[in-house]
Amino acid sequence: QVQLVQSGAEVKKPGASVKVSCKASGYTFTSYGIGWVRQAPGQGLEWMGWISAYNGNTNYVQKFHGRVTMTTDTSTSTAYMEVRSLRSDDTAMYYCTTVAYTTGCDYWGQGTLVTVSS
Amino acid sequence: EIVLTQSPGTLSLSPGDRATLSCRASQSVSSSYLAWYQQKPGQAPRLLIYGASRRATGIPDRFSGSGSGTDFTLTINRLEPEDFAVYYCQQYGSSPYTFGQGAKVDIK
Repeated sequence: QVQLVQSGAEVKKPGASVKVSCKASGYTFTSYGIGWVRQAPGQGLEWMGWISAYNGNTNYVQKFHGRVTMTTDTSTSTAYMEVRSLRSDDTAMYYCTTVAYTTGCDYWGQGTLVTVSS
Repeated sequence: EIVLTQSPGTLSLSPGDRATLSCRASQSVSSSYLAWYQQKPGQAPRLLIYGASRRATGIPDRFSGSGSGTDFTLTINRLEPEDFAVYYCQQYGSSPYTFGQGAKVDIK
């Protein structure tokens, strides 16, 4: 069965960086893209962007351009998302999800809580 | 960017009732690439409907989606206790993919 397993919770200071991992199993990794979605406490879902696991092409939401980098390692079927220059309003649960052109976001990781606090 | 507006924000119903949730897009959604997700407290979202009307694997047939263009609807027939949750629509037809603000179905 398809599984996405994310790395554990992180606590960071403002201005620091965080890198969240998402290890995929149960399918051919290059068959889907990997999207990243965040959810601030008590708030809705926010799309951040996605990366093609097939060719590494990325598509970021404009507000995250220059501060977020999404990568994949096909040898380990793992996707990564790095967020730099963290601010307190980056405190959120970060989810990875498979992305397919016709079906949307089929499968989701369990989420990684990133807390930004001085 | 396509803005999705969900209504109502909260729906208070009883088990066995029908829930009707609306999702309106600021511009036409390409190829009806509109999905619905369910999220329960402390859990990741779960895909219910894709392509506006196609149920995802394992989703009970009491969940149905309809619509095209700019107006979409999620209907839940005969609400079960486990259906009380927050529901999000998402368009994935044009970048950036966007979500609605969410709609909560709670117990009356």
